[in-house]
Amino acid sequence: EPEVTQTPSHQVTQMGQEVILRCVPISNHLYFYWYRQILGQKVEFLVSFYNNEISEKSEIFDDQFSVERPDGSNFTLKIRSTKLEDSAMYFCASSKEDGGNNEQFFGPGTRLTVL
Amino acid sequence: AQSVTQLGSHVSVSEGALVLLRCNYSSSVPPYLFWYVQYPNQGLQLLLKYTSAATLVKGINGFEAEFKKSETSFHLTKPSAHMSDAAEYFCAALENRDDKIIFGKGTRLHILP
Repeated sequence: EPEVTQTPSHQVTQMGQEVILRCVPISNHLYFYWYRQILGQKVEFLVSFYNNEISEKSEIFDDQFSVERPDGSNFTLKIRSTKLEDSAMYFCASSKEDGGNNEQFFGPGTRLTVL
Repeated sequence: AQSVTQLGSHVSVSEGALVLLRCNYSSSVPPYLFWYVQYPNQGLQLLLKYTSAATLVKGINGFEAEFKKSETSFHLTKPSAHMSDAAEYFCAALENRDDKIIFGKGTRLHILP
């Protein structure tokens, strides 16, 4: 069964460093998403991406964040200068179409620890 | 703005007992509603979803949820808990014209032998 994969499973970085979190969505999916979950808090939407551009982003997704689909398979989230409060679990998701009737399939997550 | 509230961050039930995890949503227009499960070190797996076709929704692993508009609730139930049900459960909502899922804070289900 096709699944969303994410690498690495755990990333440790120093404050101020750039990190790139990688995701491989399901191959025939067209819509891509990033969510994050700070420890002990709810899963929060960051950004959605379709047709090589951002379709929606939350207030969390500031200028320090960017997303890219560099090739036909990868979908990346970059944080330019990490802060302590960026420590969280980051989930990638993909779906065939948008809207509520289409399931978003989630990856296993990348745990980012900023020291 | 849409919000999802899950009552109880931790719920413990005995093996074989009824599981009831509570969820309420805030929207005046019923959104699409979901329950996700997260096992340790794994991603979010869809248990079931409500899309207005039927108020009682059956999902995987024997779980079901009932949409009650009058109570703005979408509680998750399972008649008989199994040890393998121990996990974190997230209730979530998605408005019709939107593509971002709004999650509740999650409920960790503990199964007592």
